[in-house]
Amino acid sequence: GAVVSQHPSRVICKSGTSVKIECRSLDFQATTMFWYRQFPKQSLMLMATSNEGSKATYEQGVEKDKFLINHASLTLSTLTVTSAHPEDSSFYICSPLSSGAYNEQFFGPGTRLTVL
Amino acid sequence: AQKITQTQPGMFVQEKEAVTLDCTYDTSDPSYGLFWYKQPSSGEMIFLIYQGSYDQQNATEGRYSLNFQKARKSANLVISASQLGDSAMYFCALRKSTGFQKLVFGTGTRLLVSP
Repeated sequence: GAVVSQHPSRVICKSGTSVKIECRSLDFQATTMFWYRQFPKQSLMLMATSNEGSKATYEQGVEKDKFLINHASLTLSTLTVTSAHPEDSSFYICSPLSSGAYNEQFFGPGTRLTVL
Repeated sequence: AQKITQTQPGMFVQEKEAVTLDCTYDTSDPSYGLFWYKQPSSGEMIFLIYQGSYDQQNATEGRYSLNFQKARKSANLVISASQLGDSAMYFCALRKSTGFQKLVFGTGTRLLVSP
């Protein structure tokens, strides 16, 4: 199966700092990237959708100025949580959509963010 | 709008027995896909099985099978011969078939397999 990496896998930061999460599709090209957030014991909630070279589309209730998404290439997308607060502590999962014939959707291993 | 409902927050099953995890959905799109994912405590999302809305037969993948009842809008996952390693969260998800569409997830069911 396709390989998706996320870095870092875990991060602890102080309130007010910014954290960047990288998502790479290692053996395929992803024209579309989905970013999900999962709070403890809850389901995955879509935060935003980005297409390579375009601005991301954010779901209702997700602040675009707080969660900056950059999808500069077909193999790399980044999510930056700016001025993080404890309520931003969550599990963040990227999900690239392959540009192949079946538009298969893959998932990164996730990044656990803890904001103190 | 698309919606996925998983009414079982938790399920228990004994090793080697079969278990059914329920999933109902709501969509106005004629063409869609239904997915099941397993999420162990590590957090990774593991794809299990897929059913297309126009597929004539129920999908099967090893010990996993999908009981697809289109008229009832249900897509229940059946796990046969449960193993201890099957203990995890299970999510049902729905996606439109056309274009680059997002997956919409249900709330999940936590399965615990006992010896």
